Amino acid sequence: GENVEQHPSTLSVQEGDSAVIKCTYSDSASNYFPWYKQELGKGPQLIIDIRSNVGEKKDQRIAVTLNKTAKHFSLHITETQPEDSAVYFCAASGSSGSARQLTFGSGTQLTVLP
Amino acid sequence: EAGVAQSPRYKIIEKRQSVAFWCNPISGHATLYWYQQILGQGPKLLIQFQNNGVVDDSQLPKDRFSAERLKGVDSTLKIQPAKLEDSAVYLCASSPIRLAGDRTYEQYFGPGTRLTVT
Repeated sequence: GENVEQHPSTLSVQEGDSAVIKCTYSDSASNYFPWYKQELGKGPQLIIDIRSNVGEKKDQRIAVTLNKTAKHFSLHITETQPEDSAVYFCAASGSSGSARQLTFGSGTQLTVLP
Repeated sequence: EAGVAQSPRYKIIEKRQSVAFWCNPISGHATLYWYQQILGQGPKLLIQFQNNGVVDDSQLPKDRFSAERLKGVDSTLKIQPAKLEDSAVYLCASSPIRLAGDRTYEQYFGPGTRLTVT
């Protein structure tokens, strides 16, 4: 099955700086890569996703890049703000039997220092 | 548009007791998922429904966990009997379109139910 590794596990940045979180996946057939933000006591919130036919996608301060050859994808947050502090999860859609499933990374605790 | 609803939000039980969680997906979403999230880890899929049928339950510990989605809308997840290692957040998610072939569609999560087994 799919295996997703995520780094770093914790990340602290100064407000206004950029943050980068990286993930690698194992299943070359995976074709969908979402990123989720999870605040304390809440469920994961989809913030951006990318499909395998695209190399990069941007949405305001957030961007995701995908390298299919190397099987890794990254989340970039620019001009970080204190409200960006949360746990971020990457995921990849592998195949399992008859259905595509999401396999999640272990999460990155991002802290934006004012 | 209302999001995924889950109840209860918190539950504390003793080991060997039973517990049930309820989920109401986003209106019109055909696919529903239950995940288990242990503290400090990413969500792990337990079971996936397409309308009222099970698509994949390969990671559901069937000796103690069961789930159903009657009428293809609401779903319940039950644990009987609970073990200490079942302490986790149980997340429900729904997806707006049927999984078909190689397409995977966005999943939207509810707030989760935090279960503590003592």
